[in-house]
Amino acid sequence: GAVVSQHPSWVICKSGTSVKIECRSLDFQATTMFWYRQFPKQSLMLMATSNEGSKATYEQGVEKDKFLINHASLTLSTLTVTSAHPEDSSFYICSARVGDREQYFGPGTRLTVT
Amino acid sequence: GQNIDQPTEMTATEGAIVQINCTYQTSGFNGLFWYQQHAGEAPTFLSYNVLDGLEEKGRFSSFLSRSKGYSYLLLKELQMKDSASYLCAVLDSNYQLIWGAGTKLIIKP
Repeated sequence: GAVVSQHPSWVICKSGTSVKIECRSLDFQATTMFWYRQFPKQSLMLMATSNEGSKATYEQGVEKDKFLINHASLTLSTLTVTSAHPEDSSFYICSARVGDREQYFGPGTRLTVT
Repeated sequence: GQNIDQPTEMTATEGAIVQINCTYQTSGFNGLFWYQQHAGEAPTFLSYNVLDGLEEKGRFSSFLSRSKGYSYLLLKELQMKDSASYLCAVLDSNYQLIWGAGTKLIIKP
């Protein structure tokens, strides 16, 4: 159990366009989902914490108008990268928390902005 | 501030044993996780410790000492597929995961 999926697994887009990434908990309900970004050879960086039905809490330095997060249901959260630029190219990973403890990670989405 | 330290890189031989250390200083403690991450993939859960002592799970074991702010991940009978990054993460008083930078483990035949 505790499977998290992400879609798409990789995407290439042109500079200035927007990209939406979906994160779904397949066999459980997740009240809290997290969005991370990971640059090559670096650790995970938390971008925001998303609670179902309320606004996401963004980490310092993350632009909320650029990275739009919507947690519409207990099984779905979306991250939209608006007006993407090459520096936004990264590996984006979501996770869903079960209770107060363990986080289960999605497989990640590799975004390349040309 | 909150800080988690682990070695950047380690090298070991196939069939051997390796211990990856992690020390932490966080605001509160609600458990420590170890994750494995292969290149280009998301992390996968390995272990969770919240009480002092050793937790064994097959070839992998994880140890915690809360008084020392210290944990280690022990990998036995190393296989080539164990080549990966190993991430230490602590759940702080706000139930927020604080991540270490990861230890890249290289297994040589």
